[in-house]
Amino acid sequence: GAGVSQTPSNKVTEKGKYVELRCDPISGHTALYWYRQSLGQGPEFLIYFQGTGAADDSGLPNDRFFAVRPEGSVSTLKIQRTERGDSAVYLCASSGGTGSSYEQYFGPGTRLTVT
Amino acid sequence: AQSVTQLGSHVSVSEGALVLLRCNYSSSVPPYLFWYVQYPNQGLQLLLKYTSAATLVKGINGFEAEFKKSETSFHLTKPSAHMSDAAEYFCAVTYGNKLVFGAGTILRVKS
Repeated sequence: GAGVSQTPSNKVTEKGKYVELRCDPISGHTALYWYRQSLGQGPEFLIYFQGTGAADDSGLPNDRFFAVRPEGSVSTLKIQRTERGDSAVYLCASSGGTGSSYEQYFGPGTRLTVT
Repeated sequence: AQSVTQLGSHVSVSEGALVLLRCNYSSSVPPYLFWYVQYPNQGLQLLLKYTSAATLVKGINGFEAEFKKSETSFHLTKPSAHMSDAAEYFCAVTYGNKLVFGAGTILRVKS
């Protein structure tokens, strides 16, 4: 079946602008995660949804970052007043279970460039 | 808190040679451990995972890893490298419901 999809694949925006990044998880997966991967680093956790609610948002760097998952499927990561330091690849993952042993399936990512 | 250290940001091997990518973890609870591979401009693909069953875990594409609690290690190996193995590899440990990743190791395979 279809994997995790993310749109857009690339986004270039000017400093100070607002952006939205979309994630479509694998159908039926209740858990959804956002990670950020900066150049030369491993992915870093941002936020985790179980169903419609954000179960853990401890990784969001500041209040410019916000994410929603209103119907328990598609999620949108929103970044306000973008800064050059926000440039990174934003990865989405979904999982069919909530236990630590469940595999997370990753999408291809959205490469965000803030100029 | 959990953390992961991958020794060697770049590893270069000849085609047909042994691949060894090192991963050490720090965890306050029995860990679940994962190795992911990332090809250029693609997402992360799971190679294998350790979830407290057998300590020697076999994954896809001929890779395997051994969990050694005494050494807090989970090194990734493959007996014979193939050109198609060239990619970046990430070791990760669970922390609650999230994954904590190492910085990654770029594997180069020389012909």
